[in-house]
Amino acid sequence: DTAVSQTPKYLVTQMGNDKSIKCEQNLGHDTMYWYKQDSKKFLKIMFSYNNKELIINETVPNRFSPKSPDKAHLNLHINSLELGDSAVYFCASSFRTRMVSGDTQYFGPGTRLTVL
Amino acid sequence: DQQVKQNSPSLSVQEGRISILNCDYTNSMFDYFLWYKKYPAEGPTFLISISSIKDKNEDGRFTVFLNKSAKHLSLHIVPSQPGDSAVYFCAASAGSSNTGKLIFGQGTTLQVKP
Repeated sequence: DTAVSQTPKYLVTQMGNDKSIKCEQNLGHDTMYWYKQDSKKFLKIMFSYNNKELIINETVPNRFSPKSPDKAHLNLHINSLELGDSAVYFCASSFRTRMVSGDTQYFGPGTRLTVL
Repeated sequence: DQQVKQNSPSLSVQEGRISILNCDYTNSMFDYFLWYKKYPAEGPTFLISISSIKDKNEDGRFTVFLNKSAKHLSLHIVPSQPGDSAVYFCAASAGSSNTGKLIFGQGTTLQVKP
């Protein structure tokens, strides 16, 4: 049973297109996240939602819009894709928002986005 | 401004020996630290964590040490096994922010040679 799943795993598209990445968790967690791992391998938080409410919105272009239809799903929609959007995007979830001893975030397998 | 740094991009160790991965941070508000392990084409998986009220946490072959005055933590793997070969990320969280935001280091690639 996959705890945090993402689709698709690979996404190749042209500049200017609009695409979505879907994320689902079956852990019963309240909080979900989107991270971006760029070409330099840095993992950076983009967004987080707690029970469908936006908690974190880092300095991310407006072309990126997260959508949480329910607390088990957090999708990422990207408009007008640019070359610099090429990266691996990871979804994650955690039991609660505030990290305390013993807590962790569970990551999905990642979606490798390539913009041509 | 990289608040969490892993200054060694790679580390090579012989099987059975100790692996020591290091991590430095700059933000004194960080109070919870985690280590993740990542295999190629997979997501990071949680390995071990430590709260700032402790200076050591042990789980089997893995031990994390925290030196708050030096703003430094390290992960010890003893004995190292070939299956430990992966990228290791250090991450930090400031509980006071109440957002669950994790700041990651850039990772250290560990290679354990048979």
